Amino acid sequence: SQQGEEDPQALSIQEGENATMNCSYKTSINNLQWYRQNSGRGLVHLILIRSNEREKHSGRLRVTLDTSKKSSSLLITASRAADTASYFCATDQTGANNLFFGTGTRLTVIP
Amino acid sequence: DVKVTQSSRYLVKRTGEKVFLECVQDMDHENMFWYRQDPGLGLRLIYFSYDVKMKEKGDIPEGYSVSREKKERFSLILESASTNQTSMYLCASSQIPGQRGSGYTFGSGTRLTVV
Repeated sequence: SQQGEEDPQALSIQEGENATMNCSYKTSINNLQWYRQNSGRGLVHLILIRSNEREKHSGRLRVTLDTSKKSSSLLITASRAADTASYFCATDQTGANNLFFGTGTRLTVIP
Repeated sequence: DVKVTQSSRYLVKRTGEKVFLECVQDMDHENMFWYRQDPGLGLRLIYFSYDVKMKEKGDIPEGYSVSREKKERFSLILESASTNQTSMYLCASSQIPGQRGSGYTFGSGTRLTVV
């Protein structure tokens, strides 16, 4: 499969804690992207990290990329109840014209 | 605010019906995509289009067709709906590959139930 795989499948934390989600993939990539999906809605683009970058920040989000291990992580710091959603990684693979999405991590932040 | 609009949030159709799912984007994007999302399977690409009247099969095109007569509109057609096509359908658009870096913009999704 060309899809990425997120780990864990589900994560439950208390408000204020940090949440870390991981993504592994199998092929060479141009970039890797993270998306968020609220229940029953479409996906929203959060952040993109290029293959020559190792770390990127956006507000409370921190993304890392290790192309040697073909893995990425998304860290959400100081989580809020409003962060409750599913998070997906998507890979822009070399030679492909579309993104390949993982199966997602369901994050629940308990107030 | 730029967006991708899917014509229906919820749709119930009968087995054997021809179903049209419409998607319109206002960002002048070249690429448009149709995915279906099922529990445990993630998002799977049905078809995509990188230009008007152009289309490419994705991973699961069987039972579906698409139409792109205008740049801003990409329609997904279920020729004869079946119960295994009950799913959430997501439309997305993006800039051309040479301008990679902005990600996809998704519509809100259409939850289709075939009875």
